[in-house]
Amino acid sequence: EVQLVESGGGLVQPGRSLRLSCAASGFTFDEYAMYWVRQAPGKGLEWVSGISWNSGNIGYADSVKGRFTISRDNTKNSLYLQMNSLRAEDTAFYYCAKSPSSSGSYAPDHWGQGTLVTVSS
Amino acid sequence: QSALTQPASVSGSPGQSITISCTGTSSDVGGYNYVSWYQQHPGKAPKLMIYEVSNRPSGVSNRFSGSKSGNTASLTISGLQAEDEGDYYCSSYTSRSPVFGTGTKVTVL
Repeated sequence: EVQLVESGGGLVQPGRSLRLSCAASGFTFDEYAMYWVRQAPGKGLEWVSGISWNSGNIGYADSVKGRFTISRDNTKNSLYLQMNSLRAEDTAFYYCAKSPSSSGSYAPDHWGQGTLVTVSS
Repeated sequence: QSALTQPASVSGSPGQSITISCTGTSSDVGGYNYVSWYQQHPGKAPKLMIYEVSNRPSGVSNRFSGSKSGNTASLTISGLQAEDEGDYYCSSYTSRSPVFGTGTKVTVL
């Protein structure tokens, strides 16, 4: 059974940093692209960033480009999101999601339970 | 990359059928047979209900079906049940990244 478990969320002041982690199990992690998708309270889903199976192809939404960095460690079956210069509008549940392909263009087929990031002074 | 367009809300009585539309462009929905649908209950993560336009993952009720015509994909829920109430999102492959729909709130009257 595929399991994705996010951690690292919390309350942070504007301008500060936070690092999210996602522990994956139940599938061959290094064969699939992975994503971070966020959902502001009461709002819809927004793709934040994606990374291919070998980290060779990485993409970001315009809203986070230059501030967020996605990475993965295939030896640890883990996905990360380093979030710098956080803004109030980054407040959201952040979901780790798995691609059904090694490519980062397909809709996710599995999701974690999400971790809440709140940016507020 | 703009979000796919869905109706804000759809409602139906128990036992009825409802259809949710998802409209994009030739760069997403219309260009590929890679449209997925998700169900989300309050406080929960999205759950995959349909993939590749019309395929159901194991364990998903056959009351859920998907289709596509041109730049618009559709999710039909037949024999509507109280447990079907929630938010539904579509998503499509694009050459850059997956794109999501605006979301539809389904209410069972």
